[in-house]
Amino acid sequence: EVQLVESGGGLVQPGTSLRLSCAASGFTFDDYAMHWVRQRPGKGLEWVSGISWNSAIIGYADSVKGRFTISRDNAKNHVQLQMDGLRPEDSAFYFCAKDRNYILDAFEIWGQGQMVTVSS
Amino acid sequence: SSDLTQDPAVSVALGQTVKITCQGDSLRSFYASWYQQRPGQAPILLIYGENNRPSGVPDRFSGSRSGNTASLTITGAQAEDEADYYCNSRDNSGHSRDSTVNRLVFGGGTKLTVL
Repeated sequence: EVQLVESGGGLVQPGTSLRLSCAASGFTFDDYAMHWVRQRPGKGLEWVSGISWNSAIIGYADSVKGRFTISRDNAKNHVQLQMDGLRPEDSAFYFCAKDRNYILDAFEIWGQGQMVTVSS
Repeated sequence: SSDLTQDPAVSVALGQTVKITCQGDSLRSFYASWYQQRPGQAPILLIYGENNRPSGVPDRFSGSRSGNTASLTITGAQAEDEADYYCNSRDNSGHSRDSTVNRLVFGGGTKLTVL
């Protein structure tokens, strides 16, 4: 069974950092791109960042570029999102998602998500 | 604002057919994928590519594209189809090769009510 399990969410103050992690199982991890997608309470989905199978292609939404860093470890089957300089508008539910392709394409499998709250 | 535009809300009578649309320039180059999200749950991939359904997705869901508009059609809507629906596509702005695309975009979502 394909599983994505996120961890690392929580309540932090503005300007601080947080690292989200996503542990993958049930599929050949290094065959697929991976993503982070967020959803603010009561709002729509927003693609945050994606990384290709071999980390050669990495992309970020304009809203997080320069503050967030995505990385993956194919030996450990996990993908991480380092979030620096957090702002209140970064408060959202963060989903880890497996792509259906080895490059950035579409979101085939989703984790259950982690809540991140940025507030003083 | 979203790079892909969806109607915020659509309704359909039980058993009838409904089309949910998604507009954007990126759809001239790439197919849309479609997702269903029920309250409190993670999204589920419904349609990808020209008109492909992952295993387990009912065949009443289908996708199509014309110009810069992609459509998700539900033929014979069921009560359990009441949910939010999102489209997404790749965005090749500034990329000469599709394989190097590094940005994805979502539509704003459509809330479907089954009457």
